[in-house]
Amino acid sequence: ETGVTQTPRHLVMGMTNKKSLKCEQHLGHNAMYWYKQSAKKPLELMFVYNFKEQTENNSVPSRFSPECPNSSHLFLHLHTLQPEDSALYLCASGVGYNEQFFGPGTRLTVL
Amino acid sequence: TQLLEQSPQFLSIQEGENLTVYCNSSSVFSSLQWYRQEPGEGPVLLVTVVTGGEVKKLKRLTFQFGDARKDSSLHITAAQPGDTGLYLCAGADDYKLSFGAGTTVTVRA
Repeated sequence: ETGVTQTPRHLVMGMTNKKSLKCEQHLGHNAMYWYKQSAKKPLELMFVYNFKEQTENNSVPSRFSPECPNSSHLFLHLHTLQPEDSALYLCASGVGYNEQFFGPGTRLTVL
Repeated sequence: TQLLEQSPQFLSIQEGENLTVYCNSSSVFSSLQWYRQEPGEGPVLLVTVVTGGEVKKLKRLTFQFGDARKDSSLHITAAQPGDTGLYLCAGADDYKLSFGAGTTVTVRA
């Protein structure tokens, strides 16, 4: 399998649930990213990992917890989310000139 | 945060017509990228422009980077329904990208 994959593609959760989003890249890139995409707003960078080390946390609430066990895998652990956290969560991996390659996203709905 | 403004926000045209989408910023970027995103999918990289004044062509798509590396445009010639999607520009600074809000393009058959 090639490119960037994300699972699940769709997720519905209650505010008291705990869930995790998974991202895997097969491109040999060293940087991985989490973005949040809400309707009519620019993509919001959440976290950046470079060589498995977190290099950016863009003032994201602690109810979102990233994990990067190796340069091919990235997780986003979710707990006690709010309805306003409903959005498309995109994972990307990066290469030279900052080009980024995106996964298909996880459509998250928080009830 | 470096802001990129895209215009227009929405564009609906007939198949065969031409269109231009703009991306403007007050910041200078080391490179600028254009992506197209279809519903339910992630953005797909179309092109990266690096040099001020650079023009790149990708079949019916022409991308231009401003001389000052602050703005860019995307021109589509003879648009087809398959060109329908959300077009995003992104400016690169260090290892991060700053995205515009996008232009939603609809090409009617």
